[in-house]
Amino acid sequence: DVVMTQSPDSLAVSLGERATINCKSRQSVLYNSNNKNYLAWYQQKPGQPPKLLISWASTRESGVPDRFSGSGSGTDFTLTISSLQAEDVAVYFCQQYYSTPFTFGPGTKVVIK
Amino acid sequence: QLQLRESGPGLVKPSATLSLTCTVSGDSIGSSIFYWGWIRQPPGKGLEWIGSIYYSGTTYYNPSLRSRVTISVDTSRNQFSLKLTSVTAADTAVYHCARHPAGGNNWHPFDYWGQGTLVTVSS
Repeated sequence: DVVMTQSPDSLAVSLGERATINCKSRQSVLYNSNNKNYLAWYQQKPGQPPKLLISWASTRESGVPDRFSGSGSGTDFTLTISSLQAEDVAVYFCQQYYSTPFTFGPGTKVVIK
Repeated sequence: QLQLRESGPGLVKPSATLSLTCTVSGDSIGSSIFYWGWIRQPPGKGLEWIGSIYYSGTTYYNPSLRSRVTISVDTSRNQFSLKLTSVTAADTAVYHCARHPAGGNNWHPFDYWGQGTLVTVSS
């Protein structure tokens, strides 16, 4: 299994400030034949299912605000919220879909400082 | 607008079989470019992929659960189902159904999710 880890476990950020979440995979999720990273980011608010924010490590889904961005390659990835808004309070998960079993990071909780 | 809705008992006794159904509306489950999956989330914890199925019946399961899991599809009803046998308290979780595109040998992330249903294993 591709083990996913995230840091920090929780993050307190002031409104308008930057939030940075890290995700690491124990093995590379970069598929050499197409140079794509099989890494997604999800946002989950209380009582709601996860919402796909970013796929292929850096491609924002339709309708996702551009303050959300993803970066990284291979085994190290980052989700950045450039200017935190109140509605961004949530738990954020990374997921690899490079191989089955698909695995998720443990999540990072983002709160307002 | 695609919608997925999970249904089934909210309480299951230990050692019994957990059975859930996901009803898909707004798209045909027989579409050739999507897989349909189950993911669970114990209260206050992270996400665990259980398995996925293609309209043809091809399945992929998490090895950690393979011996107890069966996922099936009913294209005539636009539904797919999960059965998990010999449940224990550790199987208490919110169970989500979700869609993920797939093409060739390539997987994609889960782009649509059901709201989820809490299943508690208790006597």
